Amino acid sequence: RKEVEQDPGPFNVPEGATVAFNCTYSNSASQSFFWYRQDCRKEPKLLMSVYSSGNEDGRFTAQLNRASQYISLLIRDSKLSDSATYLCVVIAEENNRLAFGKGNQVVVIP
Amino acid sequence: GAGVSQSPSNKVTEKGKDVELRCDPISGHTALYWYRQSLGQGLEFLIYFQGNSAPDKSGLPSDRFSAERTGGSVSTLTIQRTQQEDSAVYLCASSLGGGVAYEQYFGPGTRLTVT
Repeated sequence: RKEVEQDPGPFNVPEGATVAFNCTYSNSASQSFFWYRQDCRKEPKLLMSVYSSGNEDGRFTAQLNRASQYISLLIRDSKLSDSATYLCVVIAEENNRLAFGKGNQVVVIP
Repeated sequence: GAGVSQSPSNKVTEKGKDVELRCDPISGHTALYWYRQSLGQGLEFLIYFQGNSAPDKSGLPSDRFSAERTGGSVSTLTIQRTQQEDSAVYLCASSLGGGVAYEQYFGPGTRLTVT
């Protein structure tokens, strides 16, 4: 089983709609979780950290479910500029290494 | 301020040749990471530097790959006797510290094509 798994999509979303997707991780000892955004042919950039209690940043909400070992990202009121690939990142404390998923591709359609 | 820079941005090389990729991290960032991203694949961790030392080299795919960092700043990733499967985008990232709490800032990458 891969360390981090994501459904690559694409997730085609009408502008203004809500989209949500999950990322599962295999290492139960993982402690830190992030969502990065990567635009086409660009470098990844941190979107938000994922806290145990869940957190929100504007239209973006991240959740962590330790029991089922997944994190989620929800985007409300989708904008055309939200079109990108969203990378799930999990860190295992014991090796300080980031494990990246392949990403969820989101395409917001006018 | 200046972000992470990488050079060259694109490199086309013949199979069997050696290549050297350069990363200039953000000034003051002590941790530096190398990743590679193949088409349709996620980021693959290669190596991590804390200062000039590399506590974790386990991600290097073969002994043809090596990396060094000097002066706690610039890092070079060298691939010897390149193979076609080495074709990928090589990304460098730096962070203020080596702990997991620190955000990693990525450079624009070097797109390597081995013909």
